[in-house]
Amino acid sequence: QSALSQPASVSGSPGQSITISCSGTSGDVGGYNYVSWYQQNPGKAPKLLIYKVSDRPSGVPDRFSGSKSGTTASLTISGLQAEDEADYYCCSFTSISTLVFGGGTKVTVL
Amino acid sequence: QVQLQESGPGLVKPAETLSLTCTVSGGSVTRDYWNWIRQPAGGQLEWIGRIYSTATTNYNPSLKSRVTMSLDTSKNQFSLRLSAVTPADAALYYCARGHYDVMTGYYINSWGPGTVVTVSS
Repeated sequence: QSALSQPASVSGSPGQSITISCSGTSGDVGGYNYVSWYQQNPGKAPKLLIYKVSDRPSGVPDRFSGSKSGTTASLTISGLQAEDEADYYCCSFTSISTLVFGGGTKVTVL
Repeated sequence: QVQLQESGPGLVKPAETLSLTCTVSGGSVTRDYWNWIRQPAGGQLEWIGRIYSTATTNYNPSLKSRVTMSLDTSKNQFSLRLSAVTPADAALYYCARGHYDVMTGYYINSWGPGTVVTVSS
């Protein structure tokens, strides 16, 4: 299975909105609403941000939102803050009952 | 709140078998799905596989021929064995809990801190 495709880096100024895309196939992103997003800070384990495309676990700020269209999922961070600088990974369930991650996107707050 | 802790040798010789164990506290391995995920230094996350409480397993097709996962319910642990390792298998290995139901789908909701595995003679 091939990794989902994410941009290597995205940047924005504080207060701005940025969107990270996650492109897959009909066998993963396009076939299931089981897309999740994770935030990883340096030296730390990833943290769940979004599950089932757009649902947020308790404690995750509502400026993080997710969506999906066809075979592409997206994570939007609204009102970007300095603390949002981190790596972000998408993940999808697949047609062969496996998981596949994206290549990761480094978010830089200018 | 569930906590996970990986353990095992930090150094494995090429062609040998990597063995790691994850100890779960605050939860039971008889529920949910238990995953292994790895990340090379400076690299991306790679899902290795998962095991369910019934011992049903699913593996990454690219690693399937070398991977074995198992559960030890008496110790509340699950394990990973990866055979015939090469330097490409060197990475930070995470154990993680996955949750599934029809309403919420499948996602990873708890991670261990990770353990570094080096492959070298």
